[in-house]
Amino acid sequence: NAGVMQNPRHLVRRRGQEARLRCSPMKGHSHVYWYRQLPEEGLKFMVYLQKENIIDESGMPKERFSAEFPKEGPSILRIQQVVRGDSAAYFCASSRAGPEQYFGPGTRLTVT
Amino acid sequence: AQSVTQLDSHVSVSEGTPVLLRCNYSSSYSPSLFWYVQHPNKGLQLLLKYTSAATLVKGINGFEAEFKKSETSFHLTKPSAHMSDAAEYFCVVSDLNYQLIWGAGTKLIIKP
Repeated sequence: NAGVMQNPRHLVRRRGQEARLRCSPMKGHSHVYWYRQLPEEGLKFMVYLQKENIIDESGMPKERFSAEFPKEGPSILRIQQVVRGDSAAYFCASSRAGPEQYFGPGTRLTVT
Repeated sequence: AQSVTQLDSHVSVSEGTPVLLRCNYSSSYSPSLFWYVQHPNKGLQLLLKYTSAATLVKGINGFEAEFKKSETSFHLTKPSAHMSDAAEYFCVVSDLNYQLIWGAGTKLIIKP
């Protein structure tokens, strides 16, 4: 059973470009969470999704950031018009139900 | 609201000596608590979890943690440190919506 997959592992974007981060949950998991980790800090919750539904996006900036988890395919975190402050590691986690979440390896976004 | 405080940003121990990483939490209800480990430039691995069963929880790699409600603590211990334990450790509490709230992390340094 493959774990949570994230791609790309590293992404470099110039200011103003768009970044698309993908997350494939573990088989049988229908809950997906996105977190952001800034250097020297713990993870910060961004958004919680189930298939075709956003359950909680209270941690996601109101502008430029969006997330989806379609019926088919991976969950996508999209950042439009990236700025230097968006540089961070973005982690995806999945679960069946309940508090135990399994994490992917993360995508490290660098904005130049 | 839930919160987590990791009392030490860095802990340094000699190989073969005990490890103690301290964590205090704040929660208005009986929480689920976790410890995760992150090796440099790697993803996050669940070490152990407390979900209202036994208060002494055993995890992987010889780690264990004790839930003490009266002290609102969930400290992580290991009897004998190994060089491969050098990593960053995060104490995490889960809220009612299964969002994970993360401590700032403790870097564990192992001296030969």
